[in-house]
Amino acid sequence: AQSVAQPEDQVNVAEGNPLTVKCTYSVSGNPYLFWYVQYPNRGLQFLLKYITGDNLVKGSYGFEAEFNKSQTSFHLKKPSALVSDSALYFCAVRDRYGGSQGNLIFGKGTKLSVKP
Amino acid sequence: DAGVIQSPRHEVTEMGQEVTLRCKPISGHDYLFWYRQTMMRGLELLIYFNNNVPIDDSGMPEDRFSAKMPNASFSTLKIQPSEPRDSAVYFCASNPTGTYGYTFGSGTRLTVV
Repeated sequence: AQSVAQPEDQVNVAEGNPLTVKCTYSVSGNPYLFWYVQYPNRGLQFLLKYITGDNLVKGSYGFEAEFNKSQTSFHLKKPSALVSDSALYFCAVRDRYGGSQGNLIFGKGTKLSVKP
Repeated sequence: DAGVIQSPRHEVTEMGQEVTLRCKPISGHDYLFWYRQTMMRGLELLIYFNNNVPIDDSGMPEDRFSAKMPNASFSTLKIQPSEPRDSAVYFCASNPTGTYGYTFGSGTRLTVV
């Protein structure tokens, strides 16, 4: 069965410092991997995805993520955090060989707090 | 594009009442998903449709929940009768075949008292 783990409920970072939000996954085949961000009282917004190709994926708002197959990880990173990055971040996975297009599995989310 | 549109944004209802949540997907998107978000359980997939046909409803918690998609531009999620434990934020999302990222609506915050 597919699963996603976000081991940290909350990550605290000072503005200007680099940030990392961790994600590990489990699928039977090769994965499609995603990061979404949720601001208060809003829906989830797509940040970036890994489908194939370069293991380092660049997305919106200066975020990037690195696919590491051996560690089954897809950590989200940003070189310099902004206070406006404070939000809830979700990692999601889908099995590349899944029987249907749908059914992204989401992690429980990590709350990122960036302090001035 | 107006995005995925959900209504109402907030709903407060009494236990035992029927609740209907509505969703208009993005035009041309042939997949539609209903998710529920709570603090305890995170994001849960309830049901999804492809070309208006329900594909997987294994996430629907009980018979009190039902979802329909009468046409490509409209879907409803109904709870009858509602219970306090149904209180959550319900999200609708859509995407077209051949892509992999969903577009989410802003959600409906349901409170059952």
